[in-house]
Amino acid sequence: DQQVKQNSPSLSVQEGRISILNCDYTNSMFDYFLWYKKYPAEGPTFLISISSIKDKNEDGRFTVFLNKSAKHLSLHIVPSQPGDSAVYFCAAYSGGGADGLTFGKGTHLIIQP
Amino acid sequence: DGGITQSPKYLFRKEGQNVTLSCEQNLNHDAMYWYRQDPGQGLRLIYYSQIVNDFQKGDIAEGYSVSREKKESFPLTVTSAQKNPTAFYLCASSIGDSPLHFGNGTRLTVT
Repeated sequence: DQQVKQNSPSLSVQEGRISILNCDYTNSMFDYFLWYKKYPAEGPTFLISISSIKDKNEDGRFTVFLNKSAKHLSLHIVPSQPGDSAVYFCAAYSGGGADGLTFGKGTHLIIQP
Repeated sequence: DGGITQSPKYLFRKEGQNVTLSCEQNLNHDAMYWYRQDPGQGLRLIYYSQIVNDFQKGDIAEGYSVSREKKESFPLTVTSAQKNPTAFYLCASSIGDSPLHFGNGTRLTVT
């Protein structure tokens, strides 16, 4: 049973436009959400996070939106740049998170020149 | 420069052999984790450890074993009991509520 779902395996966006990556979750106990970015043959790197007490968090070109009633979050990247081409993982945990994160399957973002 | 070191980057083994993947961190993080990534899949938790000499099974612990004798080290052994050991293995660490910090992974191929 997949608790964190990223239904788009890939997404192609033109350079300079907005990239929107979506993530749905089923576990209502999740209270902290993160996005990680991963290049091939490397480990994921933390990008941005949001607590369930917020509905938006912004960091430079990256904004994460959380809709708790819909159990949905999204990552917006504006403007998209070639270096943004990577696999993006949505992840979540509940409580202190001591038992690790639950990850989605990832979305491969491709920025077209 | 602090970080997590996983070695080797690529590892090849024959079926039936046990193999140990190394993970060392100098971030002074208390918790360490092992994840496995398969093509088109998310990261799945194998084992985690919150303190030295203590560790817990994750979602897919069967066929794996770990030890945590030192704070800096959390080696993962892939045993011959693991049915599909070929995968990309990622080690991570964290402290408090900080996001997980990952190493660059070890790609294990078993033939």
